[in-house]
Amino acid sequence: DTAVSQTPKYLVTQMGNDKSIKCEQNLGHDTMYWYKQDSKKFLKIMFSYNNKELIINETVPNRFSPKSPDKAHLNLHINSLELGDSAVYFCASSQGLQDSYNEQFFGPGTRLTVL
Amino acid sequence: GQNIDQPTEMTATEGAIVQINCTYQTSGFNGLFWYQQHAGEAPTFLSYNVLDGLEEKGRFSSFLSRSKGYSYLLLKELQMKDSASYLCAALDSNYQLIWGAGTKLIIKP
Repeated sequence: DTAVSQTPKYLVTQMGNDKSIKCEQNLGHDTMYWYKQDSKKFLKIMFSYNNKELIINETVPNRFSPKSPDKAHLNLHINSLELGDSAVYFCASSQGLQDSYNEQFFGPGTRLTVL
Repeated sequence: GQNIDQPTEMTATEGAIVQINCTYQTSGFNGLFWYQQHAGEAPTFLSYNVLDGLEEKGRFSSFLSRSKGYSYLLLKELQMKDSASYLCAALDSNYQLIWGAGTKLIIKP
């Protein structure tokens, strides 16, 4: 069984479109994350949700909006896509924030290409 | 500010030993992680250190010195499949992971 899954794996779209990426974890974890990894391979945290509450919101444009219907799901919606949004987006989950041992389990990634 | 430094790229020979260094500056510290990421794949957990010293796990070992803000990942008996990027990440006082840019390790026969 896949621990952290995300769909789609590949997404190719035109500038200006709106798209969503879905993420689900079956580990019973309390915290989920969205990361962006650009062409330089730098992993940048975008959002973190703990028990459905947004607890980290780095300097991400408000075109990006996370949606968490329940603690097993954290979807990412992107409005008005721009060329610079092209990257690989990883979803991850961890047991929680209160534990110092905070191993994160990553999904397979979604490669977004904006044309 | 918070910062993680690690070399961009390293090359080593199959069967040899390689040490990947990482220095960190964070607001508080709750441990240091190493992750492995093969090209086109997701990062996977390798190790976690919160106390000073060496943690050994098979061919991989990780070392931490809190006073120096320094860690290294040691890979022994290198295999071709070890070619990957190795990401260092420190957990700050807010339990937020601060990630390095990764070290691309190239293994040559």
